[in-house]
Amino acid sequence: EPEVTQTPSHQVTQMGQEVILRCVPISNHLYFYWYRQILGQKVEFLVSFYNNEISEKSEIFDDQFSVERPDGSNFTLKIRSTKLEDSAMYFCASSESGGGGLPRSSYEQYFGPGTRLTVT
Amino acid sequence: SQQGEEDPQALSIQEGENATMNCSYKTSINNLQWYRQNSGRGLVHLILIRSNEREKHSGRLRVTLDTSKKSSSLLITASRAADTASYFCATKRGAQKLVFGQGTRLTINP
Repeated sequence: EPEVTQTPSHQVTQMGQEVILRCVPISNHLYFYWYRQILGQKVEFLVSFYNNEISEKSEIFDDQFSVERPDGSNFTLKIRSTKLEDSAMYFCASSESGGGGLPRSSYEQYFGPGTRLTVT
Repeated sequence: SQQGEEDPQALSIQEGENATMNCSYKTSINNLQWYRQNSGRGLVHLILIRSNEREKHSGRLRVTLDTSKKSSSLLITASRAADTASYFCATKRGAQKLVFGQGTRLTINP
């Protein structure tokens, strides 16, 4: 069964450094997402991406964050200057569709295993 | 803003028993989804119920949705040790993002 993959599984970085988290969504999916989960807290939406542009973003997704689909398979999240509070598990997800009038299965967002980011 | 909130926050039962988790939300939704997360791992999609549906089954899972009460329940029947995980509801309204609740930590004791 196709799945979303993420690399690395664990990234340790120093405060102020740039990090790039990588994701390979499911190949026929058109919508891509990043979520994060701070330890012990709920999963929070960061950004959604469709047709090579951001379609929605949360308040968390400030100028320190950016996303890119550099080629036909990868989807990346960049944090320009990491802060201690960026330490979290970052999940990538993808779906066939964003919603609206399509078969149920196309609504489902498939999540990757996550990248644990530790900022020291 | 919409928000899924699960209760109980933690649930511990014996293997073979049924587990029921509840979720409430605040605004109208397109659909509600339940996910499972094993400790330190990714989110696994379990089941989706649309706003015009009242009940859904998938194997040992049964989900109900009451849009008048803005609530949903997830029932796991004949629980197994492998069901030990955190369970989250997530709501979707129009736009693409999912809004997750805090989750219920389910422990199945052998």
